[in-house]
Amino acid sequence: GAGVSQSPSNKVTEKGKDVELRCDPISGHTALYWYRQSLGQGLEFLIYFQGNSAPDKSGLPSDRFSAERTGGSVSTLTIQRTQQEDSAVYLCASSPPGARETQYFGPGTRLLVL
Amino acid sequence: SQQGEEDPQALSIQEGENATMNCSYKTSINNLQWYRQNSGRGLVHLILIRSNEREKHSGRLRVTLDTSKKSSSLLITASRAADTASYFCATERKAAGNKLTFGGGTRVLVKP
Repeated sequence: GAGVSQSPSNKVTEKGKDVELRCDPISGHTALYWYRQSLGQGLEFLIYFQGNSAPDKSGLPSDRFSAERTGGSVSTLTIQRTQQEDSAVYLCASSPPGARETQYFGPGTRLLVL
Repeated sequence: SQQGEEDPQALSIQEGENATMNCSYKTSINNLQWYRQNSGRGLVHLILIRSNEREKHSGRLRVTLDTSKKSSSLLITASRAADTASYFCATERKAAGNKLTFGGGTRVLVKP
């Protein structure tokens, strides 16, 4: 079946612009996660949605970062007033209700802020 | 600081040899997972070991967990060129929900 999809694959933007990154989780998966991976580094947790519960935003690095999940499915990560240090690969993952321990990752969006 | 720290950071071996990488963590965990990443893009889940387990196998993969030392190892036996990738450990910490904390990864190069 279809896996987690993310769009765009690559995004180049100018410093100070806003960007929106999209994640389509696997159908039926109730949990959705956003991570950030800087060049050559491990993944850094950003935000976690679980069903209708309030999201866990504890990993968002600043108030320029926000995310929403509409209808319990698609999620959008928004970065306002982008900075060069926001350049990274942004990865989305989802997990099913019966097996929340295992996360299925999308291919990521590579963001470059000039 | 990251929960998981891995060593070595990079590993180069010949096809057919075994590859071993280690992960250490700091706080109590529910489980520890290993992921593979090719070409800096999406991660693929390899294996999960729970805190009450000590060893687990999946195909050519063997994972151990020592909660007293807060460490885990991943062994890939009879490596193949296709195993060339970055390998990350990730911990699900107690009382942290299902979010994962990742280590910095081990870059493995398997030479044909």
